[in-house]
Amino acid sequence: EDKVVQSPLSLVVHEGDTVTLNCSYEVTNFRSLLWYKQEKKAPTFLFMLTSSGIEKKSGRLSSILDKKELFSILNITATQTGDSAVYLCALNYGGSQGNLIFGKGTKLSVKP
Amino acid sequence: DSGVTQTPKHLITATGQRVTLRCSPRSGDLSVYWYQQSLDQGLQFLIQYYNGEERAKGNILERFSAQQFPDLHSELNLSSLELGDSALYFCASSVKGLAGRSSYNEQFFGPGTRLTVL
Repeated sequence: EDKVVQSPLSLVVHEGDTVTLNCSYEVTNFRSLLWYKQEKKAPTFLFMLTSSGIEKKSGRLSSILDKKELFSILNITATQTGDSAVYLCALNYGGSQGNLIFGKGTKLSVKP
Repeated sequence: DSGVTQTPKHLITATGQRVTLRCSPRSGDLSVYWYQQSLDQGLQFLIQYYNGEERAKGNILERFSAQQFPDLHSELNLSSLELGDSALYFCASSVKGLAGRSSYNEQFFGPGTRLTVL
């Protein structure tokens, strides 16, 4: 059965800390892995990863994929209170184009 | 602002009723996806349309149906509503959606419709 598991489920840190969010998966016919940030409203796209070992970076956020070990990590350095959100990992898998299967998310709270 | 619009923002209705949720994709996007997000289930993929045709089905109940119109907007119809259907319903759009050379699948989400069934 295709599945996506994120850990931890919840994380509380202080501003300035560095955090690592994990996403492991089991999926047939992998196409891509995506990270989204969800604050109070809709998820917003962060990264899409298709190849192992190639880091994607955007400001203080970065992500990398390991297709051999079937996981991805999302790193946030020098966290700020505005980083507080639920971070969702999603797999685009085969069977039908465009399907995404989402993990339950990691709820990150950044305290001042 | 993702460019995807959804109406209404909030909907409160009673059990047994039928409602229609509306979505307009980003300009140029041919694919529309519907998701349901509830507290206990997380984000669940319901159904995808590409250029007017159904492309993929996820965990969509038989009481639910959707369609995509020639102008590419989409509607999700929920009937015989139950208390458990209360959730946030998102629409997302992307450019691609057909088998092809690229696995690119960045989806842009609308603001959602919050459905409350009393």
